[in-house]
Amino acid sequence: KAGVTQTPRYLIKTRGQQVTLSCSPISGHRSVSWYQQTPGQGLQFLFEYFSETQRNKGNFPGRFSGRQFSNSRSEMNVSTLELGDSALYLCASSWAGETQYFGPGTRLLVL
Amino acid sequence: QKEVEQDPGPLSVPEGAIVSLNCTYSNSAFQYFMWYRQYSRKGPELLMYTYSSGNKEDGRFTAQVDKSSKYISLFIRDSQPSDSATYLCAMTPYNQGGKLIFGQGTELSVKP
Repeated sequence: KAGVTQTPRYLIKTRGQQVTLSCSPISGHRSVSWYQQTPGQGLQFLFEYFSETQRNKGNFPGRFSGRQFSNSRSEMNVSTLELGDSALYLCASSWAGETQYFGPGTRLLVL
Repeated sequence: QKEVEQDPGPLSVPEGAIVSLNCTYSNSAFQYFMWYRQYSRKGPELLMYTYSSGNKEDGRFTAQVDKSSKYISLFIRDSQPSDSATYLCAMTPYNQGGKLIFGQGTELSVKP
């Protein structure tokens, strides 16, 4: 089985711009979770989508949003980028939310 | 105070040593417990998964959960240089599948 894929792998943006990241889960998995990883805060949960519905949400501002399509692929969007949004963004897929398998991540640098 | 506490290390051991990695947590609602391994500039890789108190073994790895003490451990036997990575504990609250709460991660270095 192919693993979780994320595109793009690297991004450079400037403050105020917006960005969209994409995640393709393992075939058959219906849950996709998104995480932000920074050296200072570690891995933090952003949100989880299950069957196209947001099921859980972390403590991030509304600038962070996401969606899931009928084929379980997911996107997350960050609007009005800030310097502090520079991070590794990871998505993870699972059949129903329990055992999560991570993708390689998208490294975002905000200048 | 963080919900999950993990000593960030770094931890350096000689090849062949037994490694003990630990996490404590404060939320009694946590019911699923996982250990991930993350190599530099890679995504986390699932190593062990358990939901009950006690031990679970998989090859050189043993995961231990003590729910009464809110304490989990990962033991690595016969450690190898290829085990050098950051080890992250993660937990899921009851009825919030899909939401993992992570410890800070412990950086492990196994010296040949």
